[in-house]
Amino acid sequence: EIWLTQSPVTLSLSPGERATLSCRASQSISNYLSWYQQKPGQAPRLLIYDASIRATGIPARFSGSGSGTDFTLAISSLEPEDFAVYYCQHRATFGQGTKVEIK
Amino acid sequence: EVQVVESGGDMVQPGGSLRLSCTASGFTFSNYWMNWVRQAPGKGLEWVANINQDGGERYFADSVKGRFTISRDNADSSLFLQMNSLRVDDTAVYYCVRSLVAAGGTRWFDPWGQGTLVTVSS
Repeated sequence: EIWLTQSPVTLSLSPGERATLSCRASQSISNYLSWYQQKPGQAPRLLIYDASIRATGIPARFSGSGSGTDFTLAISSLEPEDFAVYYCQHRATFGQGTKVEIK
Repeated sequence: EVQVVESGGDMVQPGGSLRLSCTASGFTFSNYWMNWVRQAPGKGLEWVANINQDGGERYFADSVKGRFTISRDNADSSLFLQMNSLRVDDTAVYYCVRSLVAAGGTRWFDPWGQGTLVTVSS
């Protein structure tokens, strides 16, 4: 079974700053990784799949990179609506989440 | 618009049963794997079960194996989750989710419904 470890647990940033979130797999998963955003009281939303492909309608400030075991989700300049919890996923496994909060 | 809508969540006692439903629209339901993913209060996401396009393949998380069953009705674009022998730790919001399964397994989950709350408590 493959485990996904996300870091940091919480990221405190100000609007306009760059956010960098990490997801590490316990073994190589090629580029088979997706990212999701979940706001309070809402369902998760697909942001990125296959490590770097933005889903339909996702703004260009979101980007994904990585392959093998190390993956990154970057938000180039945080908008107020980007403060949320972010999850990575491979097959049926989700990471534990990173909360991006307002500093 | 591609969407899924869940229903059937309720409060039940430990040991009880509940059946969740999900209705899909905006896409060809019979072309996709479908899933249930749950989220306990204040916790992360946990995949529960999935079913392939014709219902011939079904997989379950170890935590629900033998207690939950998943089924679908392609004629009605509907997905179901029958939950038996419910436990307190089954308390969660249950999401119905479409997925793409290809090389590498499940590649993504999208879209997600708004979820339906199941509370197991005495």
